[in-house]
Amino acid sequence: GENVEQHPSTLSVQEGDSAVIKCTYSDSASNYFPWYKQELGKRPQLIIDIRSNVGEKKDQRIAVTLNKTAKHFSLHITETQPEDSAVYFCAAKGPGNQFYFGTGTSLTVIP
Amino acid sequence: ETGVTQTPRHLVMGMTNKKSLKCEQHLGHNAMYWYKQSAKKPLELMFVYNFKEQTENNSVPSRFSPECPNSSHLFLHLHTLQPEDSALYLCASRSGDEQFFGPGTRLTVL
Repeated sequence: GENVEQHPSTLSVQEGDSAVIKCTYSDSASNYFPWYKQELGKRPQLIIDIRSNVGEKKDQRIAVTLNKTAKHFSLHITETQPEDSAVYFCAAKGPGNQFYFGTGTSLTVIP
Repeated sequence: ETGVTQTPRHLVMGMTNKKSLKCEQHLGHNAMYWYKQSAKKPLELMFVYNFKEQTENNSVPSRFSPECPNSSHLFLHLHTLQPEDSALYLCASRSGDEQFFGPGTRLTVL
């Protein structure tokens, strides 16, 4: 089955700096890669996603890049703000019903 | 609110109790999921229902029993749980590839 690894597990950045979270996957059949943000005590929420036919996608301060050959994808947050502090999860999904999640990255933005 | 609701939000139960978790969505989605979220671990898929049919059961112990009476409702019946079953139980529904989560039930087993 699919195996998703996520790094780092914790990340602290100064407000205004950029944050990068990286994930790798093992199954070349995976073709959909969402990122979720989970604030303390709240539900995971989809913040951006990318499909295997695209190399990069951007939405304001958030971007995701995908390298199919190397089987890795990354989340980039620019101009970080304190409200970006949360746990971020990557996931991979193939043609079936299952999503495979990374272990999460706890991001702290220091004002 | 994403349209996926879960009740109760918090549950404390003894190992001999029987309880049920409820998930409801009125988004018109046909796939629904149960996940277990424990600290420092990835989200663990428990069950998947697609058009009310169970399609995945990830080696979940029989003390967890799912039920999907229709495409809008999903239950997780619990009996004789163990303390290590204490976790956040998340329900999700899916449209296409996009998955929407409920707020979760924080379960504590004493």
